[in-house]
Amino acid sequence: DAKTTQPTSMDCAEGRAANLPCNHSTISGNEYVYWYRQIHSQGPQYIIHGLKNNETNEMASLIITEDRKSSTLILPHATLRDTAVYYCIVRVGTRGANNLFFGTGTRLTVIP
Amino acid sequence: NAGVTQTPKFQVLKTGQSMTLQCAQDMNHEYMSWYRQDPGMGLRLIHYSVGAGITDQGEVPNGYNVSRSTTEDFPLRLLSAAPSQTSVYFCASSWRGANTGELFFGEGSRLTVL
Repeated sequence: DAKTTQPTSMDCAEGRAANLPCNHSTISGNEYVYWYRQIHSQGPQYIIHGLKNNETNEMASLIITEDRKSSTLILPHATLRDTAVYYCIVRVGTRGANNLFFGTGTRLTVIP
Repeated sequence: NAGVTQTPKFQVLKTGQSMTLQCAQDMNHEYMSWYRQDPGMGLRLIHYSVGAGITDQGEVPNGYNVSRSTTEDFPLRLLSAAPSQTSVYFCASSWRGANTGELFFGEGSRLTVL
C-alpha cells in the first residue's frame, strides 16, 4: 500500500494561498489521492480527490505531478476557518471498499 | 438531511463493561466503517462493511465486534471494555467501488474506560 509523507505543521497568512505538499512515491497506477481535513475534534471532512489530472472544486485545487509521486493541495485564499489538520491519503480500497489510511497529517494554522 | 448519525456522543465505562456504539446513515450507502482516533494520532480503521451481511476487519479489530443486518445501520460492540479502548470513535459511509469519492463521517463518539 502506498504511504504518504507530509510536513508536520505549516503556517499561512490569512488571505494568502496555502500550499500543502504530499509525497506518495510508491503510489500505483490505479490508486487515487484523497485530501481530507479535520477541524478540532470533528469528523474528517472530504476536500478533493484525483487520479492523475489536476482537479478543482469550490474548496480547493489538487495538483498532481506527472509521475504521480507527489501532489499539492491549494487553498486559494486561506481563512481562519481553514485552520485544521489536513490529511493526504492514497486509497487502498479492496473489494470495492473505501478504506482510507490516515497518517498524522499536516497541521495548518492560518494566522490573522 | 441527517447524513451519518452516531450515538452516544459521550460515554464513560468501567473496565469489563460492554456497550454498543450506534451508527446510522440515510444515504443508502453500501460501504460503512468504524475508525478510532487517539490523541495526536490519525484515524485507524477498526472494521468495515461493503453491504448488508458483509463485514471485514480493518487495521485494529481486536476487542470489537460488528454486524450489518441492514444497509442503514452499522453498530460497533465492545464486549469487555479496557482502558486501552479510551478513544474517539468515528463512523463513516460512502458508495463502494473503485472511485467512490467522498467518505462521509459522523461527529464522533467519545469513550472513556476507567
